[in-house]
Amino acid sequence: EVQLLESGGGLVQPGGSLRLSCAASGFTFSGDAMTWVRQVPGKGLEWVSGISGIGGTTYYADSVKGRFTISRDNSKNTMYLQMNSLRAEDTAVYYCAKGWTFMDYWGQGTLVTVSS
Amino acid sequence: EVLMTQSPATLSVSPGERATLSCRASQSVSINLAWYQQKPGQAPRLLIYAASIRATGIPARFSGSGSGTEFTLTISSLQSEDFAVYFCQHYNNWPRTFGQGTKVEIK
Repeated sequence: EVQLLESGGGLVQPGGSLRLSCAASGFTFSGDAMTWVRQVPGKGLEWVSGISGIGGTTYYADSVKGRFTISRDNSKNTMYLQMNSLRAEDTAVYYCAKGWTFMDYWGQGTLVTVSS
Repeated sequence: EVLMTQSPATLSVSPGERATLSCRASQSVSINLAWYQQKPGQAPRLLIYAASIRATGIPARFSGSGSGTEFTLTISSLQSEDFAVYFCQHYNNWPRTFGQGTKVEIK
């Protein structure tokens, strides 16, 4: 059974940093690209970033480019999202998802709140 | 960036009736289009990919159609568990983008 478990969310001040993790199980992690998607509670979905299976190719939304870094450690079956220079508008639930075309499995999300 | 526009924003339907949801892309995305269902407090669930292929375990009452810029998700006979928000998403190029969602509510 595919499982994705996000962690690392929390309350952070504007300008601060946070690192999210996504622990994967139930599939060959290195064989799949992965994606981060975020959602302001009660609002729509926003694609944030994607990373290839080996990790050599990454893509970012313009809204996070230069501030967020996606990475993965295939030996640990874990993907990361390093978020720097956080802004109030980054407040959202962050989901990790398997795949980077359509996303066929999603974690339950972790809430990031950027506020002073 | 491809802009995805869904309509209507809210669809009121009685159980057992048919629901038709639309998704329009600002430029052609071929058939690189997925649909997701999201219930309150839950993560999105993949329903349809490649515009018309049902994901694993998705009931046959869900069907997708379209190509290019116009897409449709049809739920042939709404069940109580189908009342939710539905999002379309293209994956024809980068960045991926989602529609703003259609809420299907009980009439």
